[in-house]
Amino acid sequence: GENVEQHPSTLSVQEGDSAVIKCTYSDSASNYFPWYKQELGKRPQLIIDIRSNVGEKKDQRIAVTLNKTAKHFSLHITETQPEDSAVYFCAASWTSYGKLTFGQGTILTVHP
Amino acid sequence: ETGVTQTPRHLVMGMTNKKSLKCEQHLGHNAMYWYKQSAKKPLELMFVYNFKEQTENNSVPSRFSPECPNSSHLFLHLHTLQPEDSALYLCASSQDLASSYEQYFGPGTRLTVT
Repeated sequence: GENVEQHPSTLSVQEGDSAVIKCTYSDSASNYFPWYKQELGKRPQLIIDIRSNVGEKKDQRIAVTLNKTAKHFSLHITETQPEDSAVYFCAASWTSYGKLTFGQGTILTVHP
Repeated sequence: ETGVTQTPRHLVMGMTNKKSLKCEQHLGHNAMYWYKQSAKKPLELMFVYNFKEQTENNSVPSRFSPECPNSSHLFLHLHTLQPEDSALYLCASSQDLASSYEQYFGPGTRLTVT
């Protein structure tokens, strides 16, 4: 089955700095890679996703890159703000199956 | 946020009790999921239902029994649980397995087994 490794487990940055979270996956058949944000005490919510036919996707201050050859993908947050503080989860799945395999999560803390 | 609701939000039960968790989605989705979220562990997929049919049982112990009477409702029946089953149980839904990948999560039920 799929295995997703996520690093780092915790990340602390100053407001305005960039944050990068990296994930690797094992199943070369995986072709959908979402990122979820979970604020303290709240439900996970999708913030951005990428499919395997795309190498990079950007949405305002967040971007995701995918390297299919190396089987890794990354979340980039620029100009971080305190409200970006949350747990971020990466995931991978094979299309049409619905089975998301999640990484361990990264606790991001943005200090004002 | 009323797209996916879960009740109860908190549950404390003894190991010999029987209880049920309920999930309801108001998004017109056809796929529903149960996840377990434990401290310092990844979100673990437990069950997947697509158009009321179970498509995935991720090696979940039989003390967890899911039920999906229709596409809008999903239950997780619990009996003779162990303390290590204490966790946040999250329900999610998506349009279906084939055409949509975004999963919408409920707020979760915080379960404590004593």
